[in-house]
Amino acid sequence: AQKVTQAQTEISVVEKEDVTLDCVYETRDTTYYLFWYKQPPSGELVFLIRRNSFDEQNEISGRYSWNFQKSTSSFNFTITASQVVDSAVYFCALRSGNQFYFGTGTSLTVIP
Amino acid sequence: EAGVTQFPSHSVIEKGQTVTLRCDPISGHDNLYWYRRVMGKEIKFLLHFVKESKQDESGMPNNRFLAERTGGTYSTLKVQPAELEDSGVYFCASSLSIYEQYFGPGTRLTVT
Repeated sequence: AQKVTQAQTEISVVEKEDVTLDCVYETRDTTYYLFWYKQPPSGELVFLIRRNSFDEQNEISGRYSWNFQKSTSSFNFTITASQVVDSAVYFCALRSGNQFYFGTGTSLTVIP
Repeated sequence: EAGVTQFPSHSVIEKGQTVTLRCDPISGHDNLYWYRRVMGKEIKFLLHFVKESKQDESGMPNNRFLAERTGGTYSTLKVQPAELEDSGVYFCASSLSIYEQYFGPGTRLTVT
């Protein structure tokens, strides 16, 4: 069965701190895709990154970085030097087969 | 380029009433998806259209939910009659490929 677990329901950090959002997934497929989305207060989900199961290279985009480890079925997301604008709900998702499977989301609050 | 739009943004109805949600995908996107997020839970897949055809409706909770996509353009999701457990945020997403999705802002449905 496919499943995505985001164990952290809510996180609060002070501005400029680093924060890591955890994501653990389950799938029996050998080919799959992992995603992170950001949901700001406006409501829409904003695509951040896609990773396929054959590419375990970590990725850095500005203050954002992602650590994909197949050995632990994890796809963690780190924000460096957090800013107030990073406050949002972040969803990890798995595409396996023909469907997307989302986690329950992690609500991040960055305190100025 | 206009994004995915959804109407209404918020709907409050009484149990037993009917509500119709609308989604306008990004122009040219053949794939259209409906999802639902119940408070605090994961975003769950409802169904997937390819043009006007239902590709996968395995996530539809029961026969009180009816989705249509007229002419392969906009889509509607009707709930009739609404029950309390139908409350949540209904997201629509569209895409050209199966590897990414662009989400709308969602419709918050409250059934009282």
